[in-house]
Amino acid sequence: AQSVAQPEDQVNVAEGNPLTVKCTYSVSGNPYLFWYVQYPNRGLQFLLKYITGDNLVKGSYGFEAEFNKSQTSFHLKKPSALVSDSALYFCAVRDGNNFNKFYFGSGTKLNVKP
Amino acid sequence: GAGVSQSPRYKVAKRGQDVALRCDPISGHVSLFWYQQALGQGPEFLTYFQNEAQLDKSGLPSDRFFAERPEGSVSTLKIQRTQQEDSAVYLCASSLVFSGGPIGELFFGEGSRLTVL
Repeated sequence: AQSVAQPEDQVNVAEGNPLTVKCTYSVSGNPYLFWYVQYPNRGLQFLLKYITGDNLVKGSYGFEAEFNKSQTSFHLKKPSALVSDSALYFCAVRDGNNFNKFYFGSGTKLNVKP
Repeated sequence: GAGVSQSPRYKVAKRGQDVALRCDPISGHVSLFWYQQALGQGPEFLTYFQNEAQLDKSGLPSDRFFAERPEGSVSTLKIQRTQQEDSAVYLCASSLVFSGGPIGELFFGEGSRLTVL
């Protein structure tokens, strides 16, 4: 069965410090992995995706994610956090057998303090 | 429009009422998805359309839920005889690509928040 785990409900980081938001996945077949961000009362916005190729994926707003096949992880990272990065972050995996379905994690609330 | 548009943004219904939620996807997007997001949770898949064809409705929680996309553009999610457990944010997403094609990301609307009293 396909699933995504985000082990941290909340991550707190000081502005200017690096941030990591963790995600592990379980999928049959090739993993297609995504990160989305959600601001209050807004829909989800696409940040980046891993389909194939380099394990380090660069995305919007300075975010990047590292795909690790052996650890089945896809952690989101940013070298220097901004207060405006504070939001809810969702990791998602696309079903390897059914491209119609994305499976989302429960979300991680990122708090960046000035 | 430039993005996915959903209406109404907020809907309060009395238990037992029927509701209809509308989604206007990005022009030209072939694929359209409906997701349900309960409070504090990630979105959960409800149904998928490729153009006007509903190819997957395996996520619809009961036969009270019905979705359509008759002309392959605007979609409506209808919930009959609403129950309190239906309270959630209903997200619509569209994608340029279709099942089996390149792996494209989803573009989400802002959602319709349904509260059933």
